[in-house]
Amino acid sequence: NAGVTQTPKFQVLKTGQSMTLQCAQDMNHNSMYWYRQDPGMGLRLIYYSASEGTTDKGEVPNGYNVSRLNKREFSLRLESAAPSQTSVYFCASRGQGFNYGYTFGSGTRLTVV
Amino acid sequence: ILNVEQSPQSLHVQEGDSTNFTCSFPSSNFYALHWYRWETAKSPEALFVMTLNGDEKKKGRISATLNTKEGYSYLYIKGSQPEDSATYLCALRDNNAGNMLTFGGGTRLMVKP
Repeated sequence: NAGVTQTPKFQVLKTGQSMTLQCAQDMNHNSMYWYRQDPGMGLRLIYYSASEGTTDKGEVPNGYNVSRLNKREFSLRLESAAPSQTSVYFCASRGQGFNYGYTFGSGTRLTVV
Repeated sequence: ILNVEQSPQSLHVQEGDSTNFTCSFPSSNFYALHWYRWETAKSPEALFVMTLNGDEKKKGRISATLNTKEGYSYLYIKGSQPEDSATYLCALRDNNAGNMLTFGGGTRLMVKP
């Protein structure tokens, strides 16, 4: 089915470990986003990519890096995980035009111990 | 950082009740207002994208209105059903690059049979 695919679904890391969250969409969307969701905080934007080859910081970029590998894929990397990065991470994409909402992936639940 | 506020934070209603929630946002630089429905353990799904002052959108028993001059949007659910139980998110897009959305904290609706 067309949509946004995120991997892994669950991950436990030790403080200081690194990992990459993968995201791919097959809808030919230009824009892709990484959000984190914390209790009582709503969805907060980490990084986004308006188009292939561009990336920009969102509201909470510290401790993360991203790569827009091609039009389909947008990965999020934690270089040295910290307990404060325990969260649920959502990738999303959006097509062009006024009336398109975001399509979200199913989320990655990350715990840093 | 834009301030998008939703009220109430949570709401318990009986099956068959009609209900509504509010999304408040800064009216300057308005571009679009999104509504999403987010069921537990799933990813957010787009309900409406609204762009014009006075917009009214409807999908089944759910409808939304938009007032960009005063900076608010209402989401209405007529005759609530248990399957309507979810968190309803609104998100603002202002005149920025990358189609970035700033999300409110959500209204969690629980419908009792």
